[in-house]
Amino acid sequence: ETGVTQSPTHLIKTRGQQVTLRCSSQSGHNTVSWYQQALGQGPQFIFQYYREEENGRGNFPPRFSGLQFPNYSSELNVNALELDDSALYLCASSFGGQFSGANVLTFGAGSRLTVL
Amino acid sequence: GENVEQHPSTLSVQEGDSAVIKCTYSDSASNYFPWYKQELGKRPQLIIDIRSNVGEKKDQRIAVTLNKTAKHFSLHITETQPEDSAVYFCAASIVGNQFYFGTGTSLTVIP
Repeated sequence: ETGVTQSPTHLIKTRGQQVTLRCSSQSGHNTVSWYQQALGQGPQFIFQYYREEENGRGNFPPRFSGLQFPNYSSELNVNALELDDSALYLCASSFGGQFSGANVLTFGAGSRLTVL
Repeated sequence: GENVEQHPSTLSVQEGDSAVIKCTYSDSASNYFPWYKQELGKRPQLIIDIRSNVGEKKDQRIAVTLNKTAKHFSLHITETQPEDSAVYFCAASIVGNQFYFGTGTSLTVIP
């Protein structure tokens, strides 16, 4: 059984650029959630993907978008990067989807994005 | 939406003492309350969780209590060890896997 893996681990972008972060879910998990963790803060929910569709979204603008693939892996895309987008982006996988009741999240190690 | 508050933000204890971290939540519909431990530069790891139909749960030196009426839950660590030093996050979940996290407690265990 493999855990949640994320890539890249670190990256630096400039304002206005676009970034794509990738996540492979844990074996047996079919749901992927993305969280943004600013320095010294708790993770903030961005959105969740289940069966290749977004089925839950936090208070983030549309320039944050994502995809889930048939193998349950996922991408987070952020367009028109702003300085405040600098954060650790955590992917978490679980089994069940939005309406199955709360299930245990397994987190990846994160992608640390710095926007200059 | 849900709002989770966590206190204290920092906590220092002597090795062997107990540590208590408290969280409150706002939405009475929340029904799942996990606690995560995050060491510096590492991923959050689930250490214990509790569901709304249970008042207390214990796993060795770690316990969590839940008061649904008051809408608060607490993490208790007994006989603390230096390896317990980390940032601890509480969370509350209402619908499926959408979690709302507290702002974290940085625990330092002094040898």
